[in-house]
Amino acid sequence: DSGVTQTPKHLITATGQRVTLRCSPRSGDLSVYWYQQSLDQGLQFLIQYYNGEERAKGNILERFSAQQFPDLHSELNLSSLELGDSALYFCASSVGDQPQHFGDGTRLSIL
Amino acid sequence: AQKITQTQPGMFVQEKEAVTLDCTYDTSDPSYGLFWYKQPSSGEMIFLIYQGSYDQQNATEGRYSLNFQKARKSANLVISASQLGDSAMYFCAMREGPASGGSYIPTFGRGTSLIVHP
Repeated sequence: DSGVTQTPKHLITATGQRVTLRCSPRSGDLSVYWYQQSLDQGLQFLIQYYNGEERAKGNILERFSAQQFPDLHSELNLSSLELGDSALYFCASSVGDQPQHFGDGTRLSIL
Repeated sequence: AQKITQTQPGMFVQEKEAVTLDCTYDTSDPSYGLFWYKQPSSGEMIFLIYQGSYDQQNATEGRYSLNFQKARKSANLVISASQLGDSAMYFCAMREGPASGGSYIPTFGRGTSLIVHP
């Protein structure tokens, strides 16, 4: 058990819809990272938050947004969903330069 | 240029044998960290082992060890006494130092699929 909790585990929705993925980091970890994993793109970094503030941005689409709340949990919002957004979305957390610990992921399927 | 290269898309090993998964990296930052993760078919990403660029000793965690050759820029994962449960994708990743603005975002390789035969 990594200590990082992601919900839901599976999500099935249709094109054009909006979904919210939730992540609770490990106790004491201030940084939260979001990743997208698809077969063709591999593991892609999307965005990082540190103690409520956006710290770094990666290959995140404008249709996607995220935030980290005062209790340090984070949400990733995906809107105007397209078939190509089907992927496994991971949240990870860490403290400083220590290794990241990943949640179990949310498997998003767009029909 | 790729920062992390895993040249073996797939590897096969007999149960109880040792196996080495290759990883080479590219950085000019003197301070960096190298990680290995395991992703079983169930999908979760499991942290295995970490090596800092200034660490003098090779990292070990149980049956996992990291063969760190700094001059060659390689960080191979060695799994001793393979078990059937070791069958999974293995990802090598590198985190560069404070020059990245303290974001510590790792770059991941494309992974190596390991299959352990009984």
